Amino acid sequence: AQSVTQLDSHVSVSEGTPVLLRCNYSSSYSPSLFWYVQHPNKGLQLLLKYTSAATLVKGINGFEAEFKKSETSFHLTKPSAHMSDAAEYFCVVSDLAGANNLFFGTGTRLTVIP
Amino acid sequence: GAGVSQTPSNKVTEKGKYVELRCDPISGHTALYWYRQSLGQGPEFLIYFQGTGAADDSGLPNDRFFAVRPEGSVSTLKIQRTERGDSAVYLCASSQGPNEKLFFGSGTQLSVL
Repeated sequence: AQSVTQLDSHVSVSEGTPVLLRCNYSSSYSPSLFWYVQHPNKGLQLLLKYTSAATLVKGINGFEAEFKKSETSFHLTKPSAHMSDAAEYFCVVSDLAGANNLFFGTGTRLTVIP
Repeated sequence: GAGVSQTPSNKVTEKGKYVELRCDPISGHTALYWYRQSLGQGPEFLIYFQGTGAADDSGLPNDRFFAVRPEGSVSTLKIQRTERGDSAVYLCASSQGPNEKLFFGSGTQLSVL
């Protein structure tokens, strides 16, 4: 069975400082892993996707994530936070056979302090 | 439209009533998904359509929930005999096909009083 654990429900950073949102996964298969962002009153938006190619995945808005099989982790990072990054972030896993059934984590709310 | 459209954006109903939630996917997208997001939780998969047929309905919680997509475009999620526990945001997403990028709508906030 697939699942993800987001280790922090809330992360607060100052504008211009690095962002780290942590995610650990569990999967019986070689997983596909995703990060989605949800801004208030807007639909979920895909930030980036890992599908067994390069372990360091670059996404939109300067975000990136590194797949570490030995640690079963897929942490999301950004070198310098911007006010517009404030949102809810979801780590997501699916098995390679069917991306139609995505398993979402419980989310991490990112607050950016000016 | 350019994105996935869900109507209504908000729905308030009474316990025991029947509700229908509508999803208009992006034109040309053959795959359509319904998810449910309870307060403080991540979205949970309900059902997936490929074309007109439900390819995977394993996420529907019970037989009060049903979804259709008769012409392979618009989909309706139907909930009978609503319960307070059904209160959540119901999200719809579409993609060009299976294993393709999902595009989500803004959701319908359902409140059962």
